[in-house]
Amino acid sequence: DTGVSQDPRHKITKRGQNVTFRCDPISEHNRLYWYRQTLGQGPEFLTYFQNEAQLEKSRLLSDRFSAERPKGSFSTLEIQRTEQGDSAMYLCASSRGLVYDEQFFGPGTRLTVL
Amino acid sequence: AQTVTQSQPEMSVQEAETVTLSCTYDTSESDYYLFWYKQPPSRQMILVIRQEAYKQQNATENRFSVNFQKAAKSFSLKISDSQLGDAAMYFCAYRTKGNRDDKIIFGKGTRLHILP
Repeated sequence: DTGVSQDPRHKITKRGQNVTFRCDPISEHNRLYWYRQTLGQGPEFLTYFQNEAQLEKSRLLSDRFSAERPKGSFSTLEIQRTEQGDSAMYLCASSRGLVYDEQFFGPGTRLTVL
Repeated sequence: AQTVTQSQPEMSVQEAETVTLSCTYDTSESDYYLFWYKQPPSRQMILVIRQEAYKQQNATENRFSVNFQKAAKSFSLKISDSQLGDAAMYFCAYRTKGNRDDKIIFGKGTRLHILP
């Protein structure tokens, strides 16, 4: 059990560019979550998957954001046409999906949009 | 909608002393989970302690304990014998009990400094 991993750890991009982040959950964890954490704030929920099915999306997840988990293992979060307001830490978490089960967090991807 | 409020942006405590972090929340649900998470600088968030709302007994994990006041919707964290490694952001958080609604709602956090 190596924990939740995220790649890259840091990403700097120019406004208008597309970026994609990857999250690898703990092996055999069925649920995978994405959160966004801006400076001075707590994490805010974006979306979560049960295996490959996306079960809930926050209204924070605008149409420029898309998340996938095609084979029920790793997940990607893509942001199209990035804006400066997208600058944040993007956190991924996973759990076994049992009632109640702890969410284990990854180290996050810090995005800076110039 | 549920909300979580942490009114102390920063706190400091002398090493080996005791400190209490405050948290209030708002919900119309009767059964739910409450958590305290720790986020050390440049490291990932970890769960410190959790409380199930229907359990009246306050949760305890080694030097960490909570004071859960359900009627007042208050959930404070007490850290005893503070250590340098306790320095971090601490987030109070809420989760509804249904298995489908699986998101965690976090407060804004309290940055805890440990003074040697």
